[in-house]
Amino acid sequence: GQQLNQSPQSMFIQEGEDVSMNCTSSSIFNTWLWYKQDPGEGPVLLIALYKAGELTSNGRLTAQFGITRKDSFLNISASIPSDVGIYFCAGPPQGAQKLVFGQGTRLTINP
Amino acid sequence: DVKVTQSSRYLVKRTGEKVFLECVQDMDHENMFWYRQDPGLGLRLIYFSYDVKMKEKGDIPEGYSVSREKKERFSLILESASTNQTSMYLCASLYRGREAFFGQGTRLTVV
Repeated sequence: GQQLNQSPQSMFIQEGEDVSMNCTSSSIFNTWLWYKQDPGEGPVLLIALYKAGELTSNGRLTAQFGITRKDSFLNISASIPSDVGIYFCAGPPQGAQKLVFGQGTRLTINP
Repeated sequence: DVKVTQSSRYLVKRTGEKVFLECVQDMDHENMFWYRQDPGLGLRLIYFSYDVKMKEKGDIPEGYSVSREKKERFSLILESASTNQTSMYLCASLYRGREAFFGQGTRLTVV
């Protein structure tokens, strides 16, 4: 099935650093969703984006809906140990009733 | 807050058993989904439903069936469990293509 291209697949950073990850698609999306998943838990919705060009923040997290509607970005500023986990992008392609997901970005933080 | 609740966090079943995984959401969402998640393979869609008694196959429906008799409940059925169905199972509900929420996950082990 269709998947989003999410990069990077993994990141190893120092506490306090900023983090950037992105997702791209060959299809147009009307909604972009960003999730975080802790080990053994279900993904938790962090940010939802609904308009091309939209920039939305949730604490130290900022996400943007790309102008072309085929990409999205997530930034985490001043990372802390509890940011460790897997981050997923997702969305329903235009006209579809189901979600497609990126492969995930595994974030590891060295204290 | 939206709640998606999966009936079990951990299950251990024997090969050949019929297994039921239950998912309930409390926000009157039309669309519900079942995914399995395996290391290195990301989230793979098994089945989804966009209305009561309606179901659609996802990317990996073989060995599974589903039931949606009431809007709030979506059940995943493993007709005859096999060891290759050992996995993390995630249920999600989607509101009008805008936001999707996940349950806490069920880790199923088939022995």
